[in-house]
Amino acid sequence: DIQMTQSPSSVSASVGDRVTITCRASRDIRSWLAWYQQKPGKVPNLLIYATSSLQSGVPSRFSGSGSGTDFTLTISSLQPEDFATYYCQQANSFPLTFGGGTKVEIK
Amino acid sequence: QVQLVESGGGVVQPGGSLRLSCAASGFTLRSFAMHWVRQAPGKGLEWVAVISSDGSEKFYGDSVQGRFTISRDTSDNTLFLQMNNLRAEDTAVYYCAKAIGRQQPESRYFDHWGQGTLVIVSS
Repeated sequence: DIQMTQSPSSVSASVGDRVTITCRASRDIRSWLAWYQQKPGKVPNLLIYATSSLQSGVPSRFSGSGSGTDFTLTISSLQPEDFATYYCQQANSFPLTFGGGTKVEIK
Repeated sequence: QVQLVESGGGVVQPGGSLRLSCAASGFTLRSFAMHWVRQAPGKGLEWVAVISSDGSEKFYGDSVQGRFTISRDTSDNTLFLQMNNLRAEDTAVYYCAKAIGRQQPESRYFDHWGQGTLVIVSS
């Protein structure tokens, strides 16, 4: 199985900050990676798929990059509604696996 | 619009069984792969199972392989998850999720999720 490791596990940031979350796969997953946002008590929401494709309706301040084993989610200017937990997910092979999550908290 | 409504959760004793349902509307199950994803209380997301758009392929997570079965009724546009020999560690909110598309890799990303149904395995 492919293990997905996210870092950091939590980050404190202020509105307007640039935030970067990383995700590392235990082996090459090409560009088959997605990012989801989950707010407390809510269902996950797809932000980015195929490493860098922005899902319809997602603000352009979210962007993704990487390939192979190392990937990044960047929020260019953090907004109040962005405080949430973010998960990466590999789509290269079954079983599909998620990272452990990164909680973005208010500083 | 796309809507997914899960049902069938509840409290069950270890070793017991439950059948979850996910009623889909706004699209047809024949056109998209469908998944089950779970989340234990206060924990992260865990992928459970997938059924392909044509129903011919099914894959499972390691922790549920041999105990859970994914299926669907296309006449009713409903997805199912039969869960047998339940364990305490199966306690979680179970979400059904629609894939972006029919073919790889779009069949492995989830663009719509239901609200989830809670399964508690406890004696």
